[in-house]
Amino acid sequence: QQQVKQSPQSLIVQKGGISIINCAYENTAFDYFPWYQQFPGKGPALLIAIRPDVSEKKEGRFTISFNKSAKQFSLHIMDSQPGDSATYFCAASIRTGTYKYIFGTGTRLKVLA
Amino acid sequence: KAGVTQTPRYLIKTRGQQVTLSCSPISGHRSVSWYQQTPGQGLQFLFEYFSETQRNKGNFPGRFSGRQFSNSRSEMNVSTLELGDSALYLCASSLMGGSGNTIYFGEGSWLTVV
Repeated sequence: QQQVKQSPQSLIVQKGGISIINCAYENTAFDYFPWYQQFPGKGPALLIAIRPDVSEKKEGRFTISFNKSAKQFSLHIMDSQPGDSATYFCAASIRTGTYKYIFGTGTRLKVLA
Repeated sequence: KAGVTQTPRYLIKTRGQQVTLSCSPISGHRSVSWYQQTPGQGLQFLFEYFSETQRNKGNFPGRFSGRQFSNSRSEMNVSTLELGDSALYLCASSLMGGSGNTIYFGEGSWLTVV
């Protein structure tokens, strides 16, 4: 119940295309869903985040779509660029009197020039 | 504003040894959490500290421990190292912790156990 399942494991997209990464969760107590971007040799950096009372959030070329009933959320990268090539992690946060983040296993995205 | 700083960045240890990793959070942040990142397991939560108290702990053996100092700096220790402990150890800080509070990661400490 604490897991966040992320797919696909890897993704290759042509420059200008749309990259889509999906995540699913079980625990309805999760109430914050961020996406992190990680470049080789660097720590993950927050990309965009959403709360379950919103179905979609857009920041530039990055959009999170959230389906509360299906317990799924996804990251869409529009007009994908070679500079977007990185590993993307979805996460879910739960407040259990303290807090912790549960991360997906990551998606390695490669955007071809 | 300086980001999360982790030291050392790279280290090689021998099985059976112990290691201490250090983390300086963003100024003003009181919550520090630690994660282990491996290719097969992704990011695994180790523990979280707030005001020198451990608030949450992941499913790791007791060989993994940590502490937080009054200035919010944190250390994690791994004793009796095993080959499987080879990983990137990431520290993340947050203003107060709690759901919805963004966590900011350092660049990590790469540990290789031989």
